[in-house]
Amino acid sequence: GAVVSQHPSWVICKSGTSVKIECRSLDFQATTMFWYRQFPKQSLMLMATSNEGSKATYEQGVEKDKFLINHASLTLSTLTVTSAHPEDSSFYICSARDRPTVSYEQYFGPGTRLTVT
Amino acid sequence: QQQVKQSPQSLIVQKGGIPIINCAYENTAFDYFPWYQQFPGKGPALLIAIRPDVSEKKEGRFTISFNKSAKQFSLHIMDSQPGDSATYFCAASRNTGFQKLVFGTGTRLLVSP
Repeated sequence: GAVVSQHPSWVICKSGTSVKIECRSLDFQATTMFWYRQFPKQSLMLMATSNEGSKATYEQGVEKDKFLINHASLTLSTLTVTSAHPEDSSFYICSARDRPTVSYEQYFGPGTRLTVT
Repeated sequence: QQQVKQSPQSLIVQKGGIPIINCAYENTAFDYFPWYQQFPGKGPALLIAIRPDVSEKKEGRFTISFNKSAKQFSLHIMDSQPGDSATYFCAASRNTGFQKLVFGTGTRLLVSP
């Protein structure tokens, strides 16, 4: 159980275009989802936390207008990178947490490799 | 105070050896300490986690040792195998994991055959 999927697993886009990444909890209801960014050989950097039906809370230094997060249902959160530029190329990983009465553990998705040309 | 310091940055052991990865924290409000394993191109996977009310926890070949007074915790991998070669991250969180995770910088482990 506790499976989190991401789609697509990799994407290449041209500079200036927008890209949407989906994160789904397959067998549990994710009241909270997290979006991370990871550069090669570096640690995970939390970008934002989203609760179902609420606006996302962004970490300091993360542009909310550039990285749009929508947590519209208990099983789906999306990250849209708007007007992507080469410096946005990175590995994006989501994680999801079940209801507080069930578990506090975070389950991570397989990640999405974004390359902006 | 939100940082978690992890060492070493990289580690090479022979098959059957016991690699030890160490982490230290400053924030005494942290009360949940998980370890994650990440293979190249994949998302992290939870290995084992501990809370400060115990000093040691074992799950299979993985053991966490926790020293509350020193604000340190470590991961031991018993009888390490080449398949254990991966990057390992420690993390810490407040409110028994309900708050966001603060990750260490990661340790790249290579287990030679």
